[in-house]
Amino acid sequence: AQSVTQLGSHVSVSEGALVLLRCNYSSSVPPYLFWYVQYPNQGLQLLLKYTSAATLVKGINGFEAEFKKSETSFHLTKPSAHMSDAAEYFCAVSHTGGGNKLTFGTGTQLKVEL
Amino acid sequence: GAGVSQSPSNKVTEKGKDVELRCDPISGHTALYWYRQSLGQGLEFLIYFQGNSAPDKSGLPSDRFSAERTGGSVSTLTIQRTQQEDSAVYLCASSFGTQNTEAFFGQGTRLTVV
Repeated sequence: AQSVTQLGSHVSVSEGALVLLRCNYSSSVPPYLFWYVQYPNQGLQLLLKYTSAATLVKGINGFEAEFKKSETSFHLTKPSAHMSDAAEYFCAVSHTGGGNKLTFGTGTQLKVEL
Repeated sequence: GAGVSQSPSNKVTEKGKDVELRCDPISGHTALYWYRQSLGQGLEFLIYFQGNSAPDKSGLPSDRFSAERTGGSVSTLTIQRTQQEDSAVYLCASSFGTQNTEAFFGQGTRLTVV
């Protein structure tokens, strides 16, 4: 079975500082990996996805993630945090052979402080 | 519409009553998913429809939960004899195609069972 683990349910950074949100996956086959963002009282929005085409994936709003097979990781980063980045972030893995249904991590709440 | 639409946005019901939650996917999307987001459980997959294939019901927590998708478009999630532990935000998503395509999420229905 595939799963993802997000380390740190809450992360706080200063505006302008590096954002690093951690995600590790467990999968017996090459996974498809996603990062979603959820703003308060809204649905989830796709930030980026890994499809095996390139290990460094660039997404919207300046976010990127690097797939590291040796570390089974897919950490999300952004060089400089902005107040508008405050939200909850979810890492997810797609079930191969099962369409596009996703298994989500428990989420990381990002707080950006002045 | 432009996105996935869910109704109602909020629902309060008494324990033991049945509820129906509706999802209008993006026009043309062949795949539709239901997820549940609750405190302590995170985001859980419930059920998945793909075209005319039999739905993947592997995530439904009990036989009180059921869903249908009429005409390959609108879907209804029904919870019978609601319990307090059913209180959660129910999210619907749709995608065009299957593996590795972006799933677009609705804003969810917040269900409160009192």
